[in-house]
Amino acid sequence: DAGVIQSPRHEVTEMGQEVTLRCKPISGHDYLFWYRQTMMRGLELLIYFNNNVPIDDSGMPEDRFSAKMPNASFSTLKIQPSEPRDSAVYFCASRRDGGTIYFGEGSWLTVV
Amino acid sequence: QQQVKQSPQSLIVQKGGISIINCAYENTAFDYFPWYQQFPGKGPALLIAIRPDVSEKKEGRFTISFNKSAKQFSLHIMDSQPGDSATYFCAASMGTGANNLFFGTGTRLTVIP
Repeated sequence: DAGVIQSPRHEVTEMGQEVTLRCKPISGHDYLFWYRQTMMRGLELLIYFNNNVPIDDSGMPEDRFSAKMPNASFSTLKIQPSEPRDSAVYFCASRRDGGTIYFGEGSWLTVV
Repeated sequence: QQQVKQSPQSLIVQKGGISIINCAYENTAFDYFPWYQQFPGKGPALLIAIRPDVSEKKEGRFTISFNKSAKQFSLHIMDSQPGDSATYFCAASMGTGANNLFFGTGTRLTVIP
């Protein structure tokens, strides 16, 4: 079975540009999570969806961040405008109800 | 505020030795404690998990020890191998199906031949 698929794997962008990260969860999983990993703050939950509906976005750092899940097999995390402090690894993860969380391989974002 | 405190930050162990990573928590509502293993360039992967109704869980060379009264839990890797070199994260949540895992800051383990 394919795991959680994220794209792009690496992105380098200039400050002020829009960044869109994409995720395809594991088929049949009804929960989808976006995490951010930095050296300073470790792994932090940004937002999660259940059945395509955003449930908790309290971890989203500020209004520059937005996430959508238009259908069960696709989600995006958008940063607009991007700032150097947004540089991090962004992980998408998914699970079925009551199951284990499976992480993707991450999108490595560098904002210069 | 760090919900789960993890130590050490890095660890070097000889092949065949025992690796021990410790975590502590404050929130007594936590009742699910997983450990994740992360290799460079990869996402975290569930290694082993425990609930507070048992004091120890073993899977192969990996053992979790849990001390509910002290609010501490640890990961022991027996007969450590170079292939175990990775970053290990402890985590805690309120339930297996909980949607917010609180992660420790990670321990970078290096096993030298």
